Amino acid sequence: DAMVIQNPRYQVTQFGKPVTLSCSQTLNHNVMYWYQQKSSQAPKLLFHYYDKDFNNEADTPDNFQSRRPNTSFCFLDIRSPGLGDAAMYLCATSRAYSLNTEAFFGQGTRLTVV
Amino acid sequence: GENVEQHPSTLSVQEGDSAVIKCTYSDSASNYFPWYKQELGKRPQLIIDIRSNVGEKKDQRIAVTLNKTAKHFSLHITETQPEDSAVYFCAALTSNTGKLIFGQGTTLQVKP
Repeated sequence: DAMVIQNPRYQVTQFGKPVTLSCSQTLNHNVMYWYQQKSSQAPKLLFHYYDKDFNNEADTPDNFQSRRPNTSFCFLDIRSPGLGDAAMYLCATSRAYSLNTEAFFGQGTRLTVV
Repeated sequence: GENVEQHPSTLSVQEGDSAVIKCTYSDSASNYFPWYKQELGKRPQLIIDIRSNVGEKKDQRIAVTLNKTAKHFSLHITETQPEDSAVYFCAALTSNTGKLIFGQGTTLQVKP
């Protein structure tokens, strides 16, 4: 049973055309993350929500935004995708409580910019 | 800022040998340390994890050790098999911030 679900699995967008990636979870985890992963590299944290608190990484471009309307859903908005934004985007969730922590990933969305 | 260093970046072993991957973390408040296996084109898959109140954990051929004083943790795979070939990532999570940071990854190749 899928616990962290990302849609779509593959997304093709035009250069400069806004695109939204979505993530949902059935785990009731309090933390949700967005990572960008390019070929042969580690997942790079873009931002995460700790409950409703938004935490942006210092080096995340302004072009990337996120929304978390409720516990189960989180969205990644790319306002003006460039060719350099083509990557796998991974959503993850964790239950960040001491001694009871776990973290899982969705299947990822592979973004192509044309 | 928070950082996780992972070594080696590539590791080649003969089938049946052991493989060891090492990570160090910078945030002393980190308290959860998962290890992920990622095959080409797929998501990182959690293979084992360890919490800060435990020094060692084993699951069949996989074990993880944690040294909180040195801020160091390691993955040990025994009796390696060709299907163990993949990229392995360590990570560190700090519960009070929720931040989950990855190491740079290790490409493990197990030769038949």
